[in-house]
Amino acid sequence: DAKTTQPPSMDCAEGRAANLPCNHSTISGNEYVYWYRQIHSQGPQYIIHGLKNNETNEMASLIITEDRKSSTLILPHATLRDTAVYYCIVRPSSGGSYIPTFGRGTSLIVHP
Amino acid sequence: EADIYQTPRYLVIGTGKKITLECSQTMGHDKMYWYQQDPGMELHLIHYSYGVNSTEKGDLSSESTVSRIRTEHFPLTLESARPSHTSQYLCASSAHPGGAFFGQGTRLTVV
Repeated sequence: DAKTTQPPSMDCAEGRAANLPCNHSTISGNEYVYWYRQIHSQGPQYIIHGLKNNETNEMASLIITEDRKSSTLILPHATLRDTAVYYCIVRPSSGGSYIPTFGRGTSLIVHP
Repeated sequence: EADIYQTPRYLVIGTGKKITLECSQTMGHDKMYWYQQDPGMELHLIHYSYGVNSTEKGDLSSESTVSRIRTEHFPLTLESARPSHTSQYLCASSAHPGGAFFGQGTRLTVV
């Protein structure tokens, strides 16, 4: 599976957009990009995933570069409740024996 | 909201006791997982299952055991709890191609 690289921490002002980058330069053509977040002391929460097209849902937008080597999770209007650790992972489209593996992620702090 | 439940949420127990952490999901997912996470640290996979009667050990060595007799139920058991088992235990399930859904976790303290 392709590995991902994320900045260890970021901060953002409340009400502004939070743009969280992820590098996955070794991603292969059949691998999806998934994003999760973990709010303090809770289990991780699935946010969004995509293959090559940009995706949007009620929580966030996912922008994947044309070469698929990196992506950005966008929280358009960050709130204090978005303070969490955000994980970017890749997984093969075939599913099968894939096991979700989480690295250290990006600790996002949203400040007033 | 995902329908995966863990009980208890918090457990304080004495050394040497046998404990079972419960995990149930109502989504019909075949794949289920147990992770262990210490405060501020990464999640470490300790057990997983691809379906009924399937159980495998994860990357992190653990003295716990699991069973998968029913699709919806994936309990984790510690035969003799020790202070080194103090941690948060997170259960998850998934079905391809969707994401994994996690329970709220069980915070275990062994005294």
